[in-house]
Amino acid sequence: EVQLVESGGGLVQPGGSLRLSCAASGFTFSTYSMNWVRQAPGKGLEWVSYISSSSSTIYYADSVKGRFTIFRDNVKNSLYLQMNSLRDEDTAVYYCARDKGYYDSNGYYYYYGIDVWGQGTTVTVSS
Amino acid sequence: QSALTQPASVSGSPGQSITISCTGTSSDVGGYNYVSWYQQHPGKAPKLLIYDVSKRPSGVANRFSGSKSGNTASLTISGLQAEDEADYYCSSFTSSSTVYVFGTGTEVTVL
Repeated sequence: EVQLVESGGGLVQPGGSLRLSCAASGFTFSTYSMNWVRQAPGKGLEWVSYISSSSSTIYYADSVKGRFTIFRDNVKNSLYLQMNSLRDEDTAVYYCARDKGYYDSNGYYYYYGIDVWGQGTTVTVSS
Repeated sequence: QSALTQPASVSGSPGQSITISCTGTSSDVGGYNYVSWYQQHPGKAPKLLIYDVSKRPSGVANRFSGSKSGNTASLTISGLQAEDEADYYCSSFTSSSTVYVFGTGTEVTVL
């Protein structure tokens, strides 16, 4: 069974740091790009960050650029999100999410969206 | 990067068809066939319904269909069922420095 399990959420003060982890199983993790997506309480989905299968391509939402770092360990089948300088507005459920896209023979990547989601981990930034 | 625009709510009776719109720009919805749709029930993770504008993953009912015209994508739910009551989000690849942008979300109510 394909599964993503997040951990590491919790309560942190503004300006603090937190590292989220995502354990993947049931598929060949090293061949998939991955994403983090968050959802503030009562709000919609917000894409946060993307990392390619080899970690060679990384993108961030403008709202987290310079504060968050996405990285992965393909040996441990794990995805991470290091969150620094946290703000009240970072309070949300954070989802680890597998990208459905793939590279064709010419190296072109098809951004097909997200096909597998974890159950989410809650981050609360508050004093 | 601004969120794609969706109606806040749509409702219909069981058996009816409803359509949810998703409006973006030429930098996202209009420029690429990388539109996807997600269903989210309260307290649950989103579920992929449609990708590549109109393709359904295996296991998704054929009552769900997607289309696109210009800068606006649409999700149609035919034969509306009680279990379809949920929040729906569109998403698109964007040519900005980010990768994906989500829609504002639509709450579907089955009357």
